[in-house]
Amino acid sequence: EAGVTQFPSHSVIEKGQTVTLRCDPISGHDNLYWYRRVMGKEIKFLLHFVKESKQDESGMPNNRFLAERTGGTYSTLKVQPAELEDSGVYFCASSQEAATVGEKLFFGSGTQLSVL
Amino acid sequence: RKEVEQDPGPFNVPEGATVAFNCTYSNSASQSFFWYRQDCRKEPKLLMSVYSSGNEDGRFTAQLNRASQYISLLIRDSKLSDSATYLCVVITPRGSQGNLIFGKGTKLSVKP
Repeated sequence: EAGVTQFPSHSVIEKGQTVTLRCDPISGHDNLYWYRRVMGKEIKFLLHFVKESKQDESGMPNNRFLAERTGGTYSTLKVQPAELEDSGVYFCASSQEAATVGEKLFFGSGTQLSVL
Repeated sequence: RKEVEQDPGPFNVPEGATVAFNCTYSNSASQSFFWYRQDCRKEPKLLMSVYSSGNEDGRFTAQLNRASQYISLLIRDSKLSDSATYLCVVITPRGSQGNLIFGKGTKLSVKP
């Protein structure tokens, strides 16, 4: 069974440019999460989809970040325009049940974003 | 105060050593507790859940003290392959559903 896949694995862009990250969850997982780890900090929640609906987007830093999950399958996270402080590793995770049960949450290997 | 705090590390230990990691959490309403393991440049993976009664999985023992809001992970007979960053993770009620709150992690390096 394929795991959570993320693309690209690395992205280097200049300040002011736009970047779109993609996440393909495990097939059949309705719940999809985005997390981010900024260097030297802990992994932090960004938002949670249930199918195509945003269940919780309280962790999104500002309106330069836009997440979508059209059709309830894969998700994209767009940063426009990117700023230096957006650099970090963006993780996607999926679960069949809501992440009140942490045992069943599976992470992708992340996208390392570097904004220069 | 951070929601989840861990030993800063790094821990550098020889093979065969016993090592213990500590973690405290600030929200007394936290519901579930876990240790995740993250290898360098890889994704976090669940190592084990932590239960009030304490639980063991081979060389790994996890304990929870709700009164002190404290979680621990003990690794016995350390192996080279145990080298990784260990993340303390807490599920805290948030809105309509729980949400995972991560500690910064403690880096373990097991040397031959």
